[in-house]
Amino acid sequence: QQPVQSPQAVILREGEDAVINCSSSKALYSVHWYRQKHGEAPVFLMILLKGGEQKGHDKISASFNEKKQQSSLYLTASQLSYSGTYFCGTERRNTGFQKLVFGTGTRLLVSP
Amino acid sequence: DTAVSQTPKYLVTQMGNDKSIKCEQNLGHDTMYWYKQDSKKFLKIMFSYNNKELIINETVPNRFSPKSPDKAHLNLHINSLELGDSAVYFCASSLEELAGGSHEQYFGPGTRLTVT
Repeated sequence: QQPVQSPQAVILREGEDAVINCSSSKALYSVHWYRQKHGEAPVFLMILLKGGEQKGHDKISASFNEKKQQSSLYLTASQLSYSGTYFCGTERRNTGFQKLVFGTGTRLLVSP
Repeated sequence: DTAVSQTPKYLVTQMGNDKSIKCEQNLGHDTMYWYKQDSKKFLKIMFSYNNKELIINETVPNRFSPKSPDKAHLNLHINSLELGDSAVYFCASSLEELAGGSHEQYFGPGTRLTVT
């Protein structure tokens, strides 16, 4: 089942902050975050695992509420390069192999 | 060096034709994936291979047949193309951690398929 992201779109001025949310109705093993610029491939940002482990870029922060099956991506002091579509990918790990179900996407535009 | 490469980048073809997309990764990863991204940007997994073995096979028409000759390559063959197959197809790869943990996926540049 596809996770729901909010907001669907957000416009920021350079230097402003934003939070992107990802919500699932199923118990999750991990949440991944990716950014996709127009015409390009998705690029990895962050993984948050059940139990608190995180892997990702130093300048990106995120949280994972295991009880609520929700994750949030925090973009602070936004830069023009942050523009793109952000996807969360949720993983339930039922089979022992990674299978990501990607969310609906959040379009972010950072203007000067 | 390109980590995950796909060919071709663009593919325009007519309904009913058969076409193939090739993917190669030089990251030494165990697992490779095919995703379809439609016009609404919805990114959906189609197949996954681990060390040449099919491990994920989503509800995809039988016209789509993946093949992994070795763990660095994953190809996608599509028979009898339909208008609805128009999309961007992404290949991706990752390490696999069966004992726990989760690894980032590295995506190829995508193949934009247009069926007319």
